[in-house]
Amino acid sequence: ELKVEQNPLFLSMQEGKNYTIYCNYSTTSDRLYWYRQDPGKSLESLFVLLSNGAVKQEGRLMASLDTKARLSTLHITAAVHDLSATYFCAVGAAGNKLTFGGGTRVLVKP
Amino acid sequence: DAGITQSPRHKVTETGTPVTLRCHQTENHRYMYWYRQDPGHGLRLIHYSYGVKDTDKGEVSDGYSVSRSKTEDFLLTLESATSSQTSVYFCATTEGEKLFFGSGTQLSVL
Repeated sequence: ELKVEQNPLFLSMQEGKNYTIYCNYSTTSDRLYWYRQDPGKSLESLFVLLSNGAVKQEGRLMASLDTKARLSTLHITAAVHDLSATYFCAVGAAGNKLTFGGGTRVLVKP
Repeated sequence: DAGITQSPRHKVTETGTPVTLRCHQTENHRYMYWYRQDPGHGLRLIHYSYGVKDTDKGEVSDGYSVSRSKTEDFLLTLESATSSQTSVYFCATTEGEKLFFGSGTQLSVL
């Protein structure tokens, strides 16, 4: 059974500083997703990582994938208030069925 | 948003009553999914469909059934709702490598 663990569960950030969210998973997979969710809203797709060593960046967010370590990271550079949200990683299986981590709630304080 | 509409957006029902949630998509996507979201669990797959009349179970399928008689509609039915089925339900479809989610249905079973 595939298990996906994120840490930390909660991250209080100071504006301007850098932080990392970790996503570990238990079995081999060829795709890793990152989503953002604002309170009461749906999930917004951030990144899809499809191969070992894949790195994708969008604005202050950068995601990477190490399939050998079964680890993905979401790095936040110079945090700003607008990045406050809950971030989920999800590991893909055949048919694009996803297994989600429990989420990391991010709060960016001035 | 991959043209996904979920209905209703909110529903309150009583234990033991049947409930049907509807997911409608306009993009002719082959794959459709139902997830539920509960605090601390991320999203968990209930059922999915890979074509008309082709469906299969996810990790939390007990107490739920689905039907897909047309490409555009994927219905989730709770035959006899229980309080443990109080949750937010998300429908999703696949577009390329990405999974896109609908706006969600908040279901409360009293």
